[in-house]
Amino acid sequence: AQSVAQPEDQVNVAEGNPLTVKCTYSVSGNPYLFWYVQYPNRGLQFLLKYITGDNLVKGSYGFEAEFNKSQTSFHLKKPSALVSDSALYFCAVRDIPTYGGQNFVFGPGTRLSVLP
Amino acid sequence: EAGVTQFPSHSVIEKGQTVTLRCDPISGHDNLYWYRRVMGKEIKFLLHFVKESKQDESGMPNNRFLAERTGGTYSTLKVQPAELEDSGVYFCASSQVWAAEAFFGQGTRLTVV
Repeated sequence: AQSVAQPEDQVNVAEGNPLTVKCTYSVSGNPYLFWYVQYPNRGLQFLLKYITGDNLVKGSYGFEAEFNKSQTSFHLKKPSALVSDSALYFCAVRDIPTYGGQNFVFGPGTRLSVLP
Repeated sequence: EAGVTQFPSHSVIEKGQTVTLRCDPISGHDNLYWYRRVMGKEIKFLLHFVKESKQDESGMPNNRFLAERTGGTYSTLKVQPAELEDSGVYFCASSQVWAAEAFFGQGTRLTVV
């Protein structure tokens, strides 16, 4: 069974500093990995995905994530945090899509607070 | 292009009442998913439609929950009768059949009192 762990409930970082939100996963095969963000009173927004290829993937709003197969991790990063990045971040995994698709398995979420 | 739209955004009902949530997916997306997040916990899968057919409903908690997707367009999720533990945020998502990512709606916050 697939599972996703986000070891930190809360991450605090000062504006302008780099940020990292951690994610580790467990799957039986090669996963598709995702990061979604939920801003206050908003839905889940897709940030980025890893399917194959370069281990460093770039996404929206200056975010990037690094896939590490040996550590089964997919940490979200940003070189310089903004106050507006404060939100709830979810890591997710799914099997390789087949016709009809497969559902996502989400981590518990990490609340990021960027302090001015 | 319109995104995934969910109605209502909030609903407060009494225990024992019925509530129907609606999801309008992105046009052309055959995959439609329902998820929910209860009490700040993980986002849990409820069920998955491909067009009008239920592909996977293994996440539906019990028979008080009924989902439909008439004509393969919008979907409804009915809770009847609602219980206190049904409170949470219900998300709908849609995707093209072979796509990796799915796009989520803003969610419906359901509060059962």
